[in-house]
Parts: sequence; structure tokens; C-alpha cells
Amino acid sequence: QVQLQESGPGLVKPSETLSLNCTVSGGSISGFVWSWIRLPPGKGLEWIGFISYRGITNYSPSLRSRLTFSVDTSKNQFSLNLRSVTVADTAVYYCAREYTSSRRMDVWGKGTTVIVSS
Amino acid sequence: DIVMTQSPLSLPVTPGEPASISCTSSQSLLHSIGYNSLNWYLQKPGQSPQLLVSLGSNRASGVPDRFSGSGSGTDFTLTISRVEAEDVGVYYCMQALQTPLTFGQGTRLEIK
Repeated sequence: QVQLQESGPGLVKPSETLSLNCTVSGGSISGFVWSWIRLPPGKGLEWIGFISYRGITNYSPSLRSRLTFSVDTSKNQFSLNLRSVTVADTAVYYCAREYTSSRRMDVWGKGTTVIVSS
Repeated sequence: DIVMTQSPLSLPVTPGEPASISCTSSQSLLHSIGYNSLNWYLQKPGQSPQLLVSLGSNRASGVPDRFSGSGSGTDFTLTISRVEAEDVGVYYCMQALQTPLTFGQGTRLEIK
């Protein structure tokens, strides 16, 4: 059974870079697309983007200028880097497995809370 | 971007009664090869979102058959035939036709 686990700092200072990892266990990272989604406090879900196991990326236009995804198939892990964070980036960040055919996200991590504050 | 609009935003339901959530998209989600690019998710309290329905009406593995998705084009509905206490949470529709993928605002279902 595939499981995803997000990891990263819970607190980031404004203007710094947020770095998150998502580790895939119980299955291979190959053959799938891997997504990032966030849930800001008091708001709804927001799609951040995805990366394929081959490293092809698709970013939300609203975050593209600050965002970089990477994938490490040897570690079964993919990562998110979000530069120049502001308080508006405070959210619970989720990683998820996505099927390209239906874009359905069938396996999600438990989520990691990121607070941007000085 | 495709805008997704859900209604109602709050849905109090008596256990055993049916419930339905509407989702409207700003443009048709009907793919050229005949399926609707619309997925439904449920986020239970304290949990991560879980997939309920994909392609408008395909129930995900392990999802009880009291959940059903319907609709086509721009208008979709998630129906729960008989609400149970474990169904509380926030329901989201999400369009999967084009990036950026976009979600509805969410519908909070609560038990009366």
C-alpha cells in the first residue's frame, strides 16, 4: 500500500525559502505524476503543481516565479522549493499521487503545517 | 482559469436523510473523447483529503455506494443517498480538464 509522507520545517521566516520533501513508501515513484496542494487557514484547497517521475513540471501560474520542484527516483522522493515566502504562504501542505489520465489524486500524505512568521 | 462554484457552502443533514452538493464550472469539462474531467474529494476533520469520485461519476475504490456523482458539461452533483455520521467534513469538486487545476470553495457537511 503506497504511503506518502511530507517533511520540512514548520516555521519559515518571511522572504526565506520553504523546502519540503515528500517520501513515497510501499511503491515506486516511477510511472506517476506527483502533486502538491495546500490548504491555507480558513480557505479551500489550492493546487500548487505537479512533477512527473521523469522531472516534467507544471506549476500554478500564481506561484510559478517562486517555485521549483525536483524528483529523486533513487530516494523515491520529490521536493518543493518556494522562494521569498510571505504570510500568505502559511498553510497545510499536502503531497499526492496523481493519475495523468483522469488527474485523480488517489493517495495523499497526512500534510505538514507551515507557518510563515518572523 | 476555470472557476468552480459549489452550493450550498454549508449543509446540515439529519442522519439517514439524503444530501446533494452542486458544482458548476465556468466552462465545459466534457473532454473531446467523451468523459467529464471532474473529481470529488472529501476532507474529514483532522484528515487529508480523500478521493470520492473521478471522471464525474466513477466512484473510487473503497468508497461506499451511498456516494454517487452525476452531471456533464458544466453542472455536476454529488449525492449521498443516506448520510451517516462519518460523512461529516468538507467536500470539494475539482476540475481536471486543464491546468491550473482548480477546486470549488468547499461544502461543509454537518450532522443535525
